[in-house]
Amino acid sequence: AQKVTQAQTEISVVEKEDVTLDCVYETRDTTYYLFWYKQPPSGELVFLIRRNSFDEQNEISGRYSWNFQKSTSSFNFTITASQVVDSAVYFCALSELTDSWGKLQFGAGTQVVVTP
Amino acid sequence: EAQVTQNPRYLITVTGKKLTVTCSQNMNHEYMSWYRQDPGLGLRQIYYSMNVEVTDKGDVPEGYKVSRKEKRNFPLILESPSPNQTSLYFCATSTGTGGTEAFFGQGTRLTVV
Repeated sequence: AQKVTQAQTEISVVEKEDVTLDCVYETRDTTYYLFWYKQPPSGELVFLIRRNSFDEQNEISGRYSWNFQKSTSSFNFTITASQVVDSAVYFCALSELTDSWGKLQFGAGTQVVVTP
Repeated sequence: EAQVTQNPRYLITVTGKKLTVTCSQNMNHEYMSWYRQDPGLGLRQIYYSMNVEVTDKGDVPEGYKVSRKEKRNFPLILESPSPNQTSLYFCATSTGTGGTEAFFGQGTRLTVV
């Protein structure tokens, strides 16, 4: 069963609009880590953020922000004032001790298309 | 510069012809793994290795082999490729400890006809 669900397959926005990507995860571990990766059209995977299960503080990095809510098992990602360069596939991933820390369990990904 | 190098980047082959995709890292990481990426499924782990001579199956190991004779190298072997192994493959490395970032290779686009 998929442990990480990204229900949005594709989101299309016009430049400068905000876009929020949903990520819902499932784990029985009390200690776990959540990640977001970006995959631009060139295909490589770019690390964006890591969050551990004990730190529910929201984080902001430039135009990117993340909202972690353990109560709803969600780790959502918002791009503010989107730009064409934000067009990419974004993956949410979970790492838990049960499955070994090194393994990342990915969601299906959300394709973001930003048009000028 | 930290690097994970995969080769080749693109490969078209025929059913049944053995092939190897190489992966090499220069970060002295213990943990290495292979993922395949398919539309609608995200990335799924094929095999992983926690150190030299220690390998184990991931979620989708059928049809693949790996070896870890040296710490820096972790090749993926398809003994008899089939069309359902057409996919985008990524090698990844990390320290293997909690919360550490995984570093990915640039990917290998494999097509089996």
